[in-house]
Amino acid sequence: DAEITQSPRHKITETGRQVTLACHQTWNHNNMFWYRQDLGHGLRLIHYSYGVQDTNKGEVSDGYSVSRSNTEDLPLTLESAASSQTSVYFCASSELRGAEAFFGQGTRLTVV
Amino acid sequence: AQTVTQSQPEMSVQEAETVTLSCTYDTSESDYYLFWYKQPPSRQMILVIRQEAYKQQNATENRFSVNFQKAAKSFSLKISDSQLGDAAMYFCALGSSNTGKLIFGQGTTLQVKP
Repeated sequence: DAEITQSPRHKITETGRQVTLACHQTWNHNNMFWYRQDLGHGLRLIHYSYGVQDTNKGEVSDGYSVSRSNTEDLPLTLESAASSQTSVYFCASSELRGAEAFFGQGTRLTVV
Repeated sequence: AQTVTQSQPEMSVQEAETVTLSCTYDTSESDYYLFWYKQPPSRQMILVIRQEAYKQQNATENRFSVNFQKAAKSFSLKISDSQLGDAAMYFCALGSSNTGKLIFGQGTTLQVKP
């Protein structure tokens, strides 16, 4: 069965370190998204991609970057982790026109 | 800009009763989609129901139905015959047909009392 997986599920890192969260999907979807979930804010869009070599900034992109070298993967990098980036991160993928998004299991990141 | 607002941070319902979760949205696009997602304690995001904006008929999935008021930009979720397994956080989301982006509301935590 097709799926979308994130790794790691949990991570603790120190302030100032570079961190990369992995996202891999086997749906063959062109659209991929990264969200962060914080209490009281719901899910906020960080970055998204419509296909290979395409990346776009979402509403909370500062301090994050993504790259899309193939259809299956969209890794999220925190250039220099800050305590404000402690959150649960979700990766999702979808077809282009209004189809449902399929989500990974989430990664809980703690920056100490 | 597209926005989604869920004004009820928490709701509770007695088992077997009916509850309605509210959602309002704003968009300048004419072609869009609306979703309700459920997030149980496992953190998994599960699609509950989907509505195409061009359809006047309200979507229904078993015990879950929506009241879609396009002019008022309102999209509420009704859960009938509530079950203990319905306890979760529920997110309303607005999807753009142009970009495929999903914008989420803040979420409503639903408690189901036995």
